[in-house]
Amino acid sequence: DIQMTQSPSSVSASVGDRVTITCRASQDIDNWLAWYQQKPGKAPKLLIYAASNLQSGVPSRFSGSGSGTDFTLTISSLQPEDFATYYCQQANRFHSFGQGTKLEI
Amino acid sequence: QVQLVESGGGLVKPGGSLRLSCAVSGFTLSDYYMNWIRQAPGKGLEWVSYVSSTGTIYYGDSLKGRFTISRDNAKNSLYLQMNSLRAEDTAVYYCARALAGAFDVWGQGTLVTVSS
Repeated sequence: DIQMTQSPSSVSASVGDRVTITCRASQDIDNWLAWYQQKPGKAPKLLIYAASNLQSGVPSRFSGSGSGTDFTLTISSLQPEDFATYYCQQANRFHSFGQGTKLEI
Repeated sequence: QVQLVESGGGLVKPGGSLRLSCAVSGFTLSDYYMNWIRQAPGKGLEWVSYVSSTGTIYYGDSLKGRFTISRDNAKNSLYLQMNSLRAEDTAVYYCARALAGAFDVWGQGTLVTVSS
């Protein structure tokens, strides 16, 4: 199994801040990495696929980078609607998710 | 309009069975990898199973042969048969479409509660 480890588990920030969340894979996954945003009571929403590709309709303040084992999700200027939980997910061998990062005020 | 709608969740006793359904609209089911993903209350996401566009099937290691994924292309539906249910199977179950390894379309989820 490929283990995905996110850090931090939670982060406090303010509107307008720049926030970075990291995700580390237990083995090389090339660029088979996606990021999701989930709000309470809702299904996750795809933000980034193939490590750095912005999903259609997702604001450009979201960006992803990385390859191999280390990846980052960056939100360049936090908006009120960005406060949520974020998950990374690998698709190199089957699928697995990170444990989540809760972004709160 | 691309849409996934799950149904079939509910309360079941330990050791019981349940069959979840996912109705697909707006795209051709057989063209995509289709997945089940679950989320226990207050916990993170866990991938459960997929069926590929060619019919290849895989399951997460924790299921130990208790779950069976299937699809009916004529009915545009995906299914998850769950047997020998345990308390730890309590979760919201989502069906999701995969594209380029990412889950780009999700249903709203259906809650399965395993309790006596």
